[in-house]
Amino acid sequence: QVHLQESGPGLVKPSDTLSLTCTVSGYSISSHNYWGWIRQSPGMGLQWIGSLYPSGSTFYNPSLKSRVTISVDTSKNQFSLKLTSVTAADTAIYYCARLYASSPPHPFDAFDVWGQGAMVTVSS
Amino acid sequence: EIVLTQSPDTLSLSPGETATLSCRASHSVSDTNFAWYQQRPGQAPRLLIFGASRRATGIPDRFRGSGSGTDFTLTVSRLEPEDFAVYYCQQYGDSPLTFGQGTRLDLK
Repeated sequence: QVHLQESGPGLVKPSDTLSLTCTVSGYSISSHNYWGWIRQSPGMGLQWIGSLYPSGSTFYNPSLKSRVTISVDTSKNQFSLKLTSVTAADTAIYYCARLYASSPPHPFDAFDVWGQGAMVTVSS
Repeated sequence: EIVLTQSPDTLSLSPGETATLSCRASHSVSDTNFAWYQQRPGQAPRLLIFGASRRATGIPDRFRGSGSGTDFTLTVSRLEPEDFAVYYCQQYGDSPLTFGQGTRLDLK
């Protein structure tokens, strides 16, 4: 059974870089799926951050594109999120998720498996 | 960006009743690229419906999605205690992917 688990610091200082890793178990990250990051906060609700294919191709939310990098490490079955120059507005629960395996795979799709989420607070 | 507006914000019903949740898009969603999620307290969202009307794996047929273009509906029949949660709609026909603000289904 596929399982996703987010990991990373729960507290980040303003202007620093937020870094999270999603470890996938029970499923190969190199299978024909895109993988994504979504965040949730009381103020913004659910917000798509970006999607990545195991080949490395990425698609980002234009509102965050200048600050976001999503990358993959297929040898560890993991993918990662980096968000630079964070502010209090970036405080949220960050989820990693698998996109539904459409044929052909598509970077914009429903999210059929989610991690439990990682709370990240931006504060000095 | 396609803005999704859900209604009502809160719906109070009793077990056994039928819930009808709506989601309206600011622009037409292409090719029924539309999904519904359920989120229980302290949990991640769970995919219920994709392709506007296709049930995800393991989702009972009490959950039915319908609609196209700018108007989509999630109907939950014969409400059970575990159905009382927050429901979100999502469009994935256009970037950026966007979600609605949620409808809370409360126990009356």
